[in-house]
Amino acid sequence: EAGVVQSPRYKIIEKKQPVAFWCNPISGHNTLYWYRQNLGQGPELLIRYENEEAVDDSQLPKDRFSAERLKGVDSTLKIQPAELGDSAVYLCASSFVAGAGGELFFGEGSRLTVL
Amino acid sequence: RKEVEQDPGPFNVPEGATVAFNCTYSNSASQSFFWYRQDCRKEPKLLMSVYSSGNEDGRFTAQLNRASQYISLLIRDSKLSDSATYLCVVSRSNDYKLSFGAGTTVTVRA
Repeated sequence: EAGVVQSPRYKIIEKKQPVAFWCNPISGHNTLYWYRQNLGQGPELLIRYENEEAVDDSQLPKDRFSAERLKGVDSTLKIQPAELGDSAVYLCASSFVAGAGGELFFGEGSRLTVL
Repeated sequence: RKEVEQDPGPFNVPEGATVAFNCTYSNSASQSFFWYRQDCRKEPKLLMSVYSSGNEDGRFTAQLNRASQYISLLIRDSKLSDSATYLCVVSRSNDYKLSFGAGTTVTVRA
């Protein structure tokens, strides 16, 4: 069974440029998460979806970040414009249902470098 | 205060040694607890859940102390392949939000 797929794996951009990350969760997983992980830190939740609905976006910097999950499957996370402090690994994860024994399946991440 | 705090380490241990470390959480309403493992430049993966009565999975033992609000992970007979960062994860039951600690790095040397 395919795992969580993310793209691109790496992205280098200059500040003020836009960037987008794509995530395809495990088939049948209704819950999708976007996390940001800075070097030496644990993942921090940006947004959680239950099907198409964003049920927790309290940590998403809405002035520059946006996300969507059309049709409750794939999801896109966008940053516009990017700032130097946005350099991090953006991890997408999915689970069958929220809480689901705590097991989240993560993708390999999209490593963003903002110059 | 962070919701989940961990000793970052690193814990450098020889093969065959036992290593143990803790994680403290601030929200007494936390209901579920987990240890995830993250290899260098890889994604986190669930290592084990932590049950109230404590639980073992092979060489790994997890304990929960609700009174003092900490969980622990013990690794017996360490292998080189145990070298990784161990993330403590705490969940609230009302909204299933998972909070990750910054991780404890373990390096097992030959």
